[in-house]
Amino acid sequence: EADIYQTPRYLVIGTGKKITLECSQTMGHDKMYWYQQDPGMELHLIHYSYGVNSTEKGDLSSESTVSRIRTEHFPLTLESARPSHTSQYLCATTGQYTEAFFGQGTRLTVV
Amino acid sequence: DQQVKQNSPSLSVQEGRISILNCDYTNSMFDYFLWYKKYPAEGPTFLISISSIKDKNEDGRFTVFLNKSAKHLSLHIVPSQPGDSAVYFCAARKHQGAQKLVFGQGTRLTINP
Repeated sequence: EADIYQTPRYLVIGTGKKITLECSQTMGHDKMYWYQQDPGMELHLIHYSYGVNSTEKGDLSSESTVSRIRTEHFPLTLESARPSHTSQYLCATTGQYTEAFFGQGTRLTVV
Repeated sequence: DQQVKQNSPSLSVQEGRISILNCDYTNSMFDYFLWYKKYPAEGPTFLISISSIKDKNEDGRFTVFLNKSAKHLSLHIVPSQPGDSAVYFCAARKHQGAQKLVFGQGTRLTINP
């Protein structure tokens, strides 16, 4: 059973607000990822981390930022939300020889 | 440049019959392939995977076939059940390094009673 958690599950917020999407895992994995998915589309990697103090941009450009101060925690921040940021955000983690485990996702709506 | 492609956006299958979902890839550096199942507003759930050194992997009702020369893989579900109705994503990665997953667009599978 995967132990990776995302909060909140749903968020509706006004334009210009700062938001932080939380992601935590209790599996002790070093590698963590953030994916973004729009309805009917593939998942796009926007950020990943090899471990503490390591963060990299993914394949899809994103205005969000991430941090990795602790192994278990990989939050994603949007300094000023816009309607174009409306999407589903999915956090994942993987061990060396395992599949990626995903959290339940955060569905963000910016109005 | 889309490296992983699922050309069928949707598939409808009768309950009890076989469902076959297809996936093609272009990057020959991929050496590990995975299938995920996803419900709306939920995260993807891992179903089954296959290493590039194999051509078949089976787990219960799910079987994945890999044809490296054709850069093609498929997921077979038999017998199909109503609970199988969901969006299925094919994903690929390189086993070393960041192990980033590259996803296809997904196929929406509907199982009809």
